[in-house]
Amino acid sequence: SQTIHQWPATLVQPVGSPLSLECTVEGTSNPNLYWYRQAAGRGLQLLFYSVGIGQISSEVPQNLSASRPQDRQFILSSKKLLLSDSGFYLCAWTQGTGANVLTFGAGSRLTVL
Amino acid sequence: KQEVTQIPAALSVPEGENLVLNCSFTDSAIYNLQWFRQDPGKGLTSLLLIQSSQREQTSGRLNASLDKSSGRSTLYIAASQPGDSATYLCAVGHSGYSTLTFGKGTMLLVSP
Repeated sequence: SQTIHQWPATLVQPVGSPLSLECTVEGTSNPNLYWYRQAAGRGLQLLFYSVGIGQISSEVPQNLSASRPQDRQFILSSKKLLLSDSGFYLCAWTQGTGANVLTFGAGSRLTVL
Repeated sequence: KQEVTQIPAALSVPEGENLVLNCSFTDSAIYNLQWFRQDPGKGLTSLLLIQSSQREQTSGRLNASLDKSSGRSTLYIAASQPGDSATYLCAVGHSGYSTLTFGKGTMLLVSP
């Protein structure tokens, strides 16, 4: 069966510090991978998605970036965090194209102080 | 730009009641629609997926309907239980790559 892992689960970082959130999927190959952010009082916002190694599509301009160094690994990064980067970050995956169910990880809670 | 609205924002019901959660979207040219459940501080769990060509999907006590022409979907929960307490999110898909637009959710509390 397929599983998705995210870490760290919780992170408290000062403004201006770097960020790295990791997500891996097991039990499948060539998944489509996604990063969403859920901020307080707002709906989930798609940040990035990837359909293959090295292929990244950005949905919202911001100081965040994403990379996919391996088939089942998706990384969300920032060089300098802003207060507005605080939120709940969720990684998700689907298989191929078509009307497939989106499966989410447990999420990473980021607080920027 | 697609906008997804969920009504009500919060709902409190006694155990055993049947209830309906509403979702509306502004652009009817959708690929699919999904309903998710989110427990506090947790990730999302997919409940039902309706393709654009379908009108409804059922799973146990849950039934989701889709009316593309009117831009609406409903999630019907039969015989609600305290374990159903969670936030329910509606999301509209725009392509085969599951780039979903989410509503803000309905927070449901089912009291014993």
